[in-house]
Amino acid sequence: AQSVTQPDIHITVSEGASLELRCNYSYGATPYLFWYVQSPGQGLQLLLKYFSGDTLVQGIKGFEAEFKRSQSSFNLRKPSVHWSDAAEYFCAVGPLNNQAGTALIFGKGTTLSVSS
Amino acid sequence: NAGVTQTPKFQVLKTGQSMTLQCAQDMNHEYMSWYRQDPGMGLRLIHYSVGAGITDQGEVPNGYNVSRSTTEDFPLRLLSAAPSQTSVYFCASKLGRGAPGNTIYFGEGSWLTVV
Repeated sequence: AQSVTQPDIHITVSEGASLELRCNYSYGATPYLFWYVQSPGQGLQLLLKYFSGDTLVQGIKGFEAEFKRSQSSFNLRKPSVHWSDAAEYFCAVGPLNNQAGTALIFGKGTTLSVSS
Repeated sequence: NAGVTQTPKFQVLKTGQSMTLQCAQDMNHEYMSWYRQDPGMGLRLIHYSVGAGITDQGEVPNGYNVSRSTTEDFPLRLLSAAPSQTSVYFCASKLGRGAPGNTIYFGEGSWLTVV
């Protein structure tokens, strides 16, 4: 079965410290992988995506993620967190059934708090 | 080019009432989907469509109905609303079959409360 696991429900990081959000997936074929961010009361913003090629993917706002096939992981990282990064982060894999382009499977999310 | 437009943005329903959440895109996208978002659950797929006249069920389809008579519109119908359907609903669209690199566009969400 296709699934996404985000093991950490809530993480608190000091401003300026590094960040790593974990994502593990189960998918029968080569996955397409995504990280989205959502601020309270807002919609989803795409941070980055992986389809093929270089396993280290650069995204917006200074985020990067590394695809590790052997570990079925796609962890999100940022070297120095800013207070404005406080939000909820979602990892997603797709497409469902290898055909439906917008049908993604989302993890349950990780809430990031940033302390001063 | 308005992107993905969802209406209404906020709605309060009484148990048993029916309603339709509208989703429209003006980008000629073939793929469209509906998700619901609940606290601690992430986004869960309700229904999706790969083109006009073609729809399929996602992870949580019960209580919802969809149709895709045009490329532009993908309405989500609640046939008899239940408090368990209180949620935030997101519509998404994407251009082109066989084009995994194309961007998925999400609407801004529709907040639904069933009392």
